[in-house]
Amino acid sequence: ELKVEQNPLFLSMQEGKNYTIYCNYSTTSDRLYWYRQDPGKSLESLFVLLSNGAVKQEGRLMASLDTKARLSTLHITAAVHDLSATYFCARNSGNTPLVFGKGTRLSVIA
Amino acid sequence: DGGITQSPKYLFRKEGQNVTLSCEQNLNHDAMYWYRQDPGQGLRLIYYSQIVNDFQKGDIAEGYSVSREKKESFPLTVTSAQKNPTAFYLCASRDGPTMEYGYTFGSGTRLTVV
Repeated sequence: ELKVEQNPLFLSMQEGKNYTIYCNYSTTSDRLYWYRQDPGKSLESLFVLLSNGAVKQEGRLMASLDTKARLSTLHITAAVHDLSATYFCARNSGNTPLVFGKGTRLSVIA
Repeated sequence: DGGITQSPKYLFRKEGQNVTLSCEQNLNHDAMYWYRQDPGQGLRLIYYSQIVNDFQKGDIAEGYSVSREKKESFPLTVTSAQKNPTAFYLCASRDGPTMEYGYTFGSGTRLTVV
C-alpha cells in the first residue's frame, strides 16, 4: 500500500526565517509532486520531481528528491506572508492514481 | 484556454437526496479523477477513469457513482447511501501515462448537507 507522510502538519514561521517540510513515502518511486492550496481554493502545481537527485527552485521555494531515502523536501527561504498556504506532496507508482500526504499548513507571521 | 471546469461551485443536499457534480475538461486528457477533501485533511480518491467507458473505484467509493461516456466529461453522483457527504470535491485530469506534468485540478465543488 502506498503511503505518503508529511511533517510537520502545522508550521508557524516568522517572516525572514528558513524552514523545511519533509515528505516520506513507503515504496520506491521516481516521481514526486508538490502542490499548493490556498484556503477554499483548488490545488496548484508547484514542482514535479522526475528522478533521483532532482532539485527545482521557484522563488523562495526549493524542492528536492532522494529516491533511495524515499524522501522529498520543500525548503522555504526567507519566508514571506504570501507563502502562507497548505502544501501537499503526492506520488504514485506506475500508472496508479496519485496518493497525497495530509498536507502541511504553513502560516507566516510578522 | 484549456482547463477543467467543475460546477456548481457550491451545492446543498437534503437528506436522502442524490446530487450530481459536474466535471468537464477541454485538455484532451485521457485520465480523470475524483478526490474528496475534508477540513484539515489530505485528498482521498473516490473514483478514477483512464479511458472512456471504463472507471475504477478508489479508496472511498461507497455511496458514490460515476460515468465516463465522453472523454471530456466525468460526472460524480453522491447518492443517499453516502452518509457523510459534506466535503470539498476536486476533479483532476492528466495527459499520458508519463505524468511529467502531474495532474490539472478543477476549482472544486463544496457540498453541504442541510
